[in-house]
Amino acid sequence: EVVLTQSPATLSLSPGDGATLSCRASQGVRGALAWYQHKPGQPPRLLIYAASTRATGIPARFSGSGSGTDFTLTISSLEPEDFAVYYCQQRSSWPINFGQGTRLEIK
Amino acid sequence: QVQLVESGGGVVQPGGSLRLSCAASGFTFRNFAMHWVRQAPGKGLEWVAFVNYNGNDKYYADSVQGRFTISRDNSKSTLYLQMNSLRPEDTAVYYCAKDEVAPTYYYMDVWGKGTAVTVSS
Repeated sequence: EVVLTQSPATLSLSPGDGATLSCRASQGVRGALAWYQHKPGQPPRLLIYAASTRATGIPARFSGSGSGTDFTLTISSLEPEDFAVYYCQQRSSWPINFGQGTRLEIK
Repeated sequence: QVQLVESGGGVVQPGGSLRLSCAASGFTFRNFAMHWVRQAPGKGLEWVAFVNYNGNDKYYADSVQGRFTISRDNSKSTLYLQMNSLRPEDTAVYYCAKDEVAPTYYYMDVWGKGTAVTVSS
């Protein structure tokens, strides 16, 4: 089973700042990694798939990188609506797993 | 537009059963695999179950294996989750999600708004 570890658990930043979120896999997942944004009372929203491909309608300030075991979600300049919880997810092998999440909060 | 609408949640006693439904519209349901994902109060996202496009291939999280059954009716564009022997730790919001692949990597591109399940006496 692939275990995903996200860091940091909480990130406190201000609008306009850049954010870097990390996701590390316990074994290689090639590029089979996705990132989701989740806000309270809403369904999760797909941001990035195949490690670095932005989903339809996702702003260019969101970017993903990495392969193998180390992945990064970067938000270049935070907008007020970006404060949420972010999850990585691997689709390399069964069972599908999510990381424990990174909470991005307003400083 | 593409839409998934869950229903069937509620309050049930430990050991009881519940069947969730997910009605799909705006896309050709029979062509896509589907998932159930849940979020317990104060916790993160947990994948629950997967069914392929024709219902012949299924996978489950260890936490629900043997108690939950995923199924689909392509003639009704509906996904189901039969939940038996429910436990308090099954309390969560349950989401259905559509699977997608491009070109060889899979992801969940459309999600329903979720239905809440509470297991309590």
